[in-house]
Amino acid sequence: DADVTQTPRNRITKTGKRIMLECSQTKGHDRMYWYRQDPGLGLRLIYYSFDVKDINKGEISDGYSVSRQAQAKFSLSLESAIPNQTALYFCATSDEGLAGVTWSTETQYFGPGTRLLVL
Amino acid sequence: LAKTTQPISMDSYEGQEVNITCSHNNIATNDYITWYQQFPSQGPRFIIQGYKTKVTNEVASLFIPADRKSSTLSLPRVSLSDTAVYYCLVGDGNNAGKSTFGDGTTLTVKP
Repeated sequence: DADVTQTPRNRITKTGKRIMLECSQTKGHDRMYWYRQDPGLGLRLIYYSFDVKDINKGEISDGYSVSRQAQAKFSLSLESAIPNQTALYFCATSDEGLAGVTWSTETQYFGPGTRLLVL
Repeated sequence: LAKTTQPISMDSYEGQEVNITCSHNNIATNDYITWYQQFPSQGPRFIIQGYKTKVTNEVASLFIPADRKSSTLSLPRVSLSDTAVYYCLVGDGNNAGKSTFGDGTTLTVKP
């Protein structure tokens, strides 16, 4: 979805390096997410943010940190990259779903992904 | 945690109807069921969402029985371009942090 962009699209780095993956969106959504996908597996939630002042850990947050610089920007950092962080990373945004209903009615819109290789 | 279970893979032929079933035995009373489609090296894309009975849109139908412990995504007359991974997603109440996509179902459509 062109409304959600990720940079870089591909990145090769070495063990121990700090790297940042960036996500920008023009959909005007308050909610943003970072997922990781390993080959042949589903997406696992790393961090999510429901607004600029809200940051929450997902199921696999260890080794990662995030920054929500503005409504439109949500960055993921690997403070000291390790080889098992090699994966495809997706950023997503979502609306708030049906009014008066739980969050699970939201629709998530994904970016094109960043392919990261840690040597 | 409302875990979902789907078949790992399915094969079909062009023009056939495909039904993919997802089990979610512990679904919460106020949770909806959402299906996404993912092509290789792309992010998932929303297909359909429902709470109970039947929902239909221009792409698919979603059937949900009264007990809501499972749901079935139905793709009518599939084509080669429907080859993708299909994910069933069920929220965990209001806590987004406990929701996962699972491993999905890889659908391969053959000519």
